[in-house]
Amino acid sequence: EVQLVESGGGLVQPGGSLRLSCAASGFTFSSYWMSWVRQAPGKGLEWVANIKQDGSEKHYVDSVKGRFTISRDNAKNSLYLQMNSLRADDTAVYYCARGLPWELPNQYFHHWGQGTLVTVSS
Amino acid sequence: DFVMTQSPDSLAVSLGERATINCKSSQSVLYISNNKNYLAWYQQKPGQPPKLLIYWASTRESGVPDRFSGSGSGTDFTLTISSLQAEDVAVYYCQQYYSTPFTFGPGTKVDIK
Repeated sequence: EVQLVESGGGLVQPGGSLRLSCAASGFTFSSYWMSWVRQAPGKGLEWVANIKQDGSEKHYVDSVKGRFTISRDNAKNSLYLQMNSLRADDTAVYYCARGLPWELPNQYFHHWGQGTLVTVSS
Repeated sequence: DFVMTQSPDSLAVSLGERATINCKSSQSVLYISNNKNYLAWYQQKPGQPPKLLIYWASTRESGVPDRFSGSGSGTDFTLTISSLQAEDVAVYYCQQYYSTPFTFGPGTKVDIK
């Protein structure tokens, strides 16, 4: 069974940093693109970033470029999101989502974690 | 960036009746070389992550009831629930994956009338 378990969320002050983790199991992690998708309280879904199987290619939504960094450790079956210079509008539930096992970055998401809440507030 | 819009914002349908949700993309999501529409649909219930229903605009995900169907091409798409069940109460989102940044529609809330 595919499982994605996020951790690392919490309360952080504006301008602060946080590192999210996603532990993957039940599939060959190194074969899949992985993404982070967020959802502000009571709002819709926003794709944040994705990373290729070997980490050689990454894409970001403009609003997080230069502030967030996606990475992965295939030996540990883990996905990460380093978030710096956090702002109030980064407050959201952050979901880890499994993409597809192909070359192209085009991704829809068969599997999602339960999410971890990040609150940016003073 | 591709802007996705959905209509209506919300709808209430009687049990057993049809529910229709529309999704429109600001640019075509049809990739000519493979004739595939890079459009997915998700269902999200309160307190849960989204669940994939449809991809390639009309391919039903494994395990999804056949009362859910997707149609459309280019810029205009439809998700149809042929006979609404109580467990279908949720918010439904479309998503384009033609290019990054992938973008979602704002969601359509479906309730029972």
